[in-house]
Amino acid sequence: DAGVTQSPTHLIKTRGQHVTLRCSPISGHKSVSWYQQVLGQGPQFIFQYYEKEERGRGNFPDRFSARQFPNYSSELNVNALLLGDSALYLCASSLVGTGNSPLHFGNGTRLTVT
Amino acid sequence: AQKVTQAQTEISVVEKEDVTLDCVYETRDTTYYLFWYKQPPSGELVFLIRRNSFDEQNEISGRYSWNFQKSTSSFNFTITASQVVDSAVYFCALNYFQETSGSRLTFGEGTQLTVNP
Repeated sequence: DAGVTQSPTHLIKTRGQHVTLRCSPISGHKSVSWYQQVLGQGPQFIFQYYEKEERGRGNFPDRFSARQFPNYSSELNVNALLLGDSALYLCASSLVGTGNSPLHFGNGTRLTVT
Repeated sequence: AQKVTQAQTEISVVEKEDVTLDCVYETRDTTYYLFWYKQPPSGELVFLIRRNSFDEQNEISGRYSWNFQKSTSSFNFTITASQVVDSAVYFCALNYFQETSGSRLTFGEGTQLTVNP
């Protein structure tokens, strides 16, 4: 079975632009989460979606938004990009949306804002 | 608030040495889950183990073993007879789940393990 797939793998944007990152979960997984990983740090939680509804949001500004589609894939949108948004964005899926279900991560999208 | 501390930023060993990665966590929850992930240079986080707060049995999987001690809030990870392929960043993580706010992982800062031939 295919793992979590993310696209694109790399992206370069200019300050003020917006970006859309995409994620396809493992088949059968209904929960998708997004994490931001700044170089040299651990990943930080951005969003969790389960059954197409937002279940949790981390401490990120409203410039960050996401959605989950009927096929459980997901998009992360970031508006008005700042230099500080440069990071590896990781998508993870899990079978259910509770704490005992391990997250399976994709390879990430590396976003560079110039 | 939840917190995970990995005090070792970098560890360098020679192949075949044993190495232990430390993890200390803080939580007010009585039910929680702890995880270890491996992040090779490719960037993908690879799930290694999950442990719930009610199961303090140590676990061994091949060259990997985990020591969970609730009394000291620690969940340490030992690699026996390390190999060059073990070189990666290792993250310890604590899960937070509530019906009203979903499920999220709190990660430590990670430990960069380098195994030299």
